[in-house]
Amino acid sequence: EPEVTQTPSHQVTQMGQEVILRCVPISNHLYFYWYRQILGQKVEFLVSFYNNEISEKSEIFDDQFSVERPDGSNFTLKIRSTKLEDSAMYFCASFGTDTQYFGPGTRLTVL
Amino acid sequence: AQSVSQHNHHVILSEAASLELGCNYSYGGTVNLFWYVQYPGQHLQLLLKYFSGDPLVKGIKGFEAEFIKSKFSFNLRKPSVQWSDTAEYFCAVNAWYGGSQGNLIFGKGTKLSVKP
Repeated sequence: EPEVTQTPSHQVTQMGQEVILRCVPISNHLYFYWYRQILGQKVEFLVSFYNNEISEKSEIFDDQFSVERPDGSNFTLKIRSTKLEDSAMYFCASFGTDTQYFGPGTRLTVL
Repeated sequence: AQSVSQHNHHVILSEAASLELGCNYSYGGTVNLFWYVQYPGQHLQLLLKYFSGDPLVKGIKGFEAEFIKSKFSFNLRKPSVQWSDTAEYFCAVNAWYGGSQGNLIFGKGTKLSVKP
């Protein structure tokens, strides 16, 4: 069964550094999403992406965040200057016929 | 704004006990409803979903959920839990906007611990 994959599984970075989280959605899916889950809190929507542009974003997704689909298979989330409060699990999802399928997540730790 | 409430933060049951996890949502329009499960150290997996039709939906691993529109509820049930059901359970909702796929709004999750 096709799966959403994410790399790396764990990223440790210093505050102020840029990070890029990578996702490979399921190949025939057209809608892609990023969510995050701060430890002990609920899963929160960040951004959705369709047809090579952002279709919706939450208030969390400020100018420090950007998304890209650079090569038709990868879907990336970039955080330009990480803050301590960006520490969280970041999930990528892609949408099939009626359901969003989630990747295993990247745990981002900002020191 | 849409929101999802899960009433129980942590539920502890013995094996073979029956399970019901509450979920209420706030949105007046047409919604799609989901339950996802997150086993320890693993990613979110879809348990079941409701879009339309029979309000009692059956999912994987013996789980079912009932959509009660008048109560804005979508409670998850299982008649007899197993130790392997120990996990965190998330209720989620999204709204369709003219055919586009809205984002999922999640509840805070309910941690289920099943004692062997």
